[in-house]
Amino acid sequence: DSGVTQTPKHLITATGQRVTLRCSPRSGDLSVYWYQQSLDQGLQFLIQYYNGEERAKGNILERFSAQQFPDLHSELNLSSLELGDSALYFCASSVGLWTGYTFGSGTRLTVV
Amino acid sequence: TQLLEQSPQFLSIQEGENLTVYCNSSSVFSSLQWYRQEPGEGPVLLVTVVTGGEVKKLKRLTFQFGDARKDSSLHITAAQPGDTGLYLCAGPMAGGATNKLIFGTGTLLAVQP
Repeated sequence: DSGVTQTPKHLITATGQRVTLRCSPRSGDLSVYWYQQSLDQGLQFLIQYYNGEERAKGNILERFSAQQFPDLHSELNLSSLELGDSALYFCASSVGLWTGYTFGSGTRLTVV
Repeated sequence: TQLLEQSPQFLSIQEGENLTVYCNSSSVFSSLQWYRQEPGEGPVLLVTVVTGGEVKKLKRLTFQFGDARKDSSLHITAAQPGDTGLYLCAGPMAGGATNKLIFGTGTLLAVQP
């Protein structure tokens, strides 16, 4: 157990739907990062939050959004889902802005 | 655009063999990290190298950061089935004041008993 908790572990949904992925960072970690992993693109950075504030954005689609709550847990919202959104979504956390990541076990999203 | 290219992409070896995985870029990185990812799990941080020319050892794993800080290598001595997994190098993206990482293309290692 890495200390980073992601739920759900698996999610199957239809095209056009909206889903929410949840992440609880390791205790004491203030930074939360979201990554998408697919076979053809590898691990791609989506977005980072630090202590409740958005700090960096990667190649995140406009259909995707995220937030970090006062208790530091984070949610990634994916809407108008397309088949190509099927992937593993990972959350990672770190203590500060310059330290290594601790990853969760991921959410496998399948859009049918 | 910063890219981290890893080679080889796939590696299947017998237990006891040695191997080296390479991570190359045309960009300079302030540091590089190596992660191992097992099926159904997230990547796990193995090591961070921060100084050009630095060598770090973790049991049978030896990590080296290139002198110019554009490349890194991971050498495994006497590989064991437990070393099987996806090996990823990663470095901080240029610009900004945060530690968002760019990940390499990955090397999938299978060690046969």
